[in-house]
This record gives sequence, C-alpha cells and structure tokens, in this order.
Amino acid sequence: QSVLTQPPSVSGAPGQRVTISCTGSSSNIGARYDVHWYQQLPGAAPKLLIYGNTNRPSGVPDRFSGSRSGASASLAITGLQAEDEADYYCQSYDSSLSGSVFGGGTKLTVL
Amino acid sequence: QVQLVQSGAEVKKPGSSVKVSCKTSGDTLTGYTINWVRQAPGQGLEWMGRIIPVFGTANYAQKFQGTVTITADESTSTAYMELNSVRSDDTAVYYCARAMYPGLGQFDYWGQGTQVTVSS
Repeated sequence: QSVLTQPPSVSGAPGQRVTISCTGSSSNIGARYDVHWYQQLPGAAPKLLIYGNTNRPSGVPDRFSGSRSGASASLAITGLQAEDEADYYCQSYDSSLSGSVFGGGTKLTVL
Repeated sequence: QVQLVQSGAEVKKPGSSVKVSCKTSGDTLTGYTINWVRQAPGQGLEWMGRIIPVFGTANYAQKFQGTVTITADESTSTAYMELNSVRSDDTAVYYCARAMYPGLGQFDYWGQGTQVTVSS
C-alpha cells in the first residue's frame, strides 16, 4: 500500500490528452511538500519528468505538465504519442515518515 | 555530463549480505544527497534511505532501519548501500539517485540499476 495513491492504469489514443492523479494526505502533498513525477520506460531507470509540482527539466516536451491542489497532484500529457507508453510515478516528502514517498505507479497505454 | 554508475548484478543466498556501489562522475557529491530506491519484480518504486555525503549522515525508511546501511566516500564520489540478512523478497532492482541538499527535492539523476537476486 503506497502512501501516495495513483490509478493503476490509464489509456488514450494517439493525439489525445490523459491525466494521472496522485492523492496524498496532510503529512505530504497536503502539507505543501513539492510533488515530482518520473517516467519509467520498460527495462529502464526512472527519468525525472516534472519537478516542483509544475516545472519541466530541460529536454522534456511541453506536452507534459504538472499541477498540485490541496492534497493531490496531477500529471497531464497532451498529444499522446506511442513513445509515451510507460509507467509514471509521483513522489513527495512525508513529514510523518521523515522520508521520500512514491505513488504506486500508473501504467499508460497508448491505444 | 553527470552520470551515476552502479556495480553489477549480484546473486546472494538468504541470510547473507549484499553491497551495491554507485559512483558519480561529472560532478562531486558536495551539495547533494544520494538516495537508494528499490523496485521488486513487477512492483513500484520504494525509497530506502539517503545519505548526505558531506556530513556522512544517513537516514532510512522505517522498513529498512537496522537492515540497510548507506555510506559514502567523498574522495571517490562513491556511495554504497549494504543490505544485511537478505531474504527472497529482497530480490529487486536497486537504484541510486541524486538530489540536491539542502532540500527535499527531486531525484534528477539515476543510476542504471543493480539487479539483486536472492536465491538458495
């Protein structure tokens, strides 16, 4: 059972928009700790996709965007492409656990 | 260009220990933490703990207190994660990942992962 809750899977057709939610609590996202998102392609290490809730590292397409509201955060992907098919994880800090926590991951399927 | 390069795959017997290394190139460890994250087969990411190399201080997820030791050698820009008394459910890919210090921030660079298999 992960501290941050994500849907196990989402899907969309090429060109469509999908969102992935990440729900936390008052000791992590609700306490205004930043949320970060990672993309993990099959067989590869995770890659930083969004940091500080809304920021994209250099090289990440602007099709990827993040937001945070209350104790939840979301990752939105527009103009879906086949290469976006991957697992996506949210991450934050939890003050009760005194450490980083991850969501359980969401598998994105491009139909 | 920053790279985190981890040691190779390990096969261990239950009850033994395993030590995985993570060498940073293209930058020093100063100003960063090194975190360890594991991923069991078909499962998600699990944070194990981190070290602040400049101070040599480490903190661990509660689950790993007493079984994991994280150390770092600033002179070689290498961090280590040692897992004791391994069990079959410790079979996983172990990643190191860098984050800025101070702060509770994102993991901007990751190692390639080290497969640890526990089998009798």
